[in-house]
Amino acid sequence: GDSVTQMEGPVTLSEEACLTINCTYTATGYPSLFWYVQYPGEGLQLLLKATKADDKGSNKGFEATYRKETTSFHLEKGSVQVSDSAVYFCALSLTGTASKLTFGTGTRLQVTL
Amino acid sequence: SAVISQKPSRDICQRGTSLTIQCQVDSQVTMMFWYRQQPGQSLTLIATANQGSEATYESGFVIDKFPISRPNLTFSTLTVSNMSPEDSSIYLCSVQGEGYTFGSGTRLTVV
Repeated sequence: GDSVTQMEGPVTLSEEACLTINCTYTATGYPSLFWYVQYPGEGLQLLLKATKADDKGSNKGFEATYRKETTSFHLEKGSVQVSDSAVYFCALSLTGTASKLTFGTGTRLQVTL
Repeated sequence: SAVISQKPSRDICQRGTSLTIQCQVDSQVTMMFWYRQQPGQSLTLIATANQGSEATYESGFVIDKFPISRPNLTFSTLTVSNMSPEDSSIYLCSVQGEGYTFGSGTRLTVV
């Protein structure tokens, strides 16, 4: 079945450090890929998405590129801020029809001054 | 993208009782999804609710425990029945749009 594998957390970084959170997927078709963010005590917010190979999603300084050859969608940010502290979820859905999201386990990011 | 109003935002319930969670969407949507997020865990789909038909449940979830109503294209409810402490989780509804939009979640504690 479809699945998403995310790097284990927590990840602790100093402010202005570079961030990479690895995400790989297994899917039977051609999925759309997503990163969601969950700030403390809040619901899920869509951070970025990509719907086909080589697409790059970007938002708030975060980027992720849909790599079909490596089945990956790693989340990157060049300089993190304390306000980026949250849990990040990688997810996929199969395209074509209304389809459920399959989530990775989530990666907690803690950014310190 | 759609805006979802979910309530209650949190509740503490006695074991053996039931809680109904409501989601109201500001636009008509074909499918609504209900997820559970157990403490410190990722999200797991409970069921998909299509207006005018019975919800489709994922493996491990049954209608008697999690009955769902979908009376129209903007509203759905999920009931957590005969609760036990193991049902303590965050429950979220979601609709498909530009991405997938989520309600703010219902944090349920069963004591």
